[in-house]
Amino acid sequence: EVQLLESGGGLVQPGGSLRLSCAASGFTFNSYAMTWVRQAPGKGLEWVSVISSSGGSTYYADSVKGRFTISRDNSQNTLYLQMNSLRAEDTAVYYCVKNLYSSGRRDYFDYWGQGILVTVSS
Amino acid sequence: DIQMTQSPSSVSASVGDRVTVTCRASQGISSWLAWYQRKPGKAPKLLIYAASTLQSGVPSRFSGSGSGTDFTLTISSLQPEDFAIYYCQQADSFPPTFGQGTKLEIK
Repeated sequence: EVQLLESGGGLVQPGGSLRLSCAASGFTFNSYAMTWVRQAPGKGLEWVSVISSSGGSTYYADSVKGRFTISRDNSQNTLYLQMNSLRAEDTAVYYCVKNLYSSGRRDYFDYWGQGILVTVSS
Repeated sequence: DIQMTQSPSSVSASVGDRVTVTCRASQGISSWLAWYQRKPGKAPKLLIYAASTLQSGVPSRFSGSGSGTDFTLTISSLQPEDFAIYYCQQADSFPPTFGQGTKLEIK
């Protein structure tokens, strides 16, 4: 059974940093791209970032480019999202998502974690 | 970014009904489209990808069609467990974008 367990969320002040982790199990982690998707309160689903199966390719939404960094440790089956210079508009539930394919381009999302709340507020 | 517009925003239907949800892309995306189901308190579930390919384990009463800019999700005979929110997502170009969702409610 595929499981994706996010951790590291919480309350942070504007300008602060947070690192989300996602522990994956139940599939061959290093064979699939992984994605972060978020949903702000009362808003729709927003794609944040993707990393290819090898970690060699990464892509970001314009809204987080230069502030967020996605990475993965294939030896630990773990996905990360380092979030710096956080803003109030980054407040959202963040979902760790498994991609259907390995490259992350032209891809779909076949398993989602339960999500973790990040609140940016003073 | 490609905008995805779903209609209707909500629909009421009864068990056994046939229901169709529409998704329109702001530009052509070939068949690079997925549909997801989301129930309260649960993570989204992939139903269909590549516009019409049923994800493994998804009941055959779900089907998808369309290409270019116009797509449909059809549930042939609604079951009680199908009442949920449905989202479309384009995978043609970065960033992947989602529709705003269609809430399927019990009549």
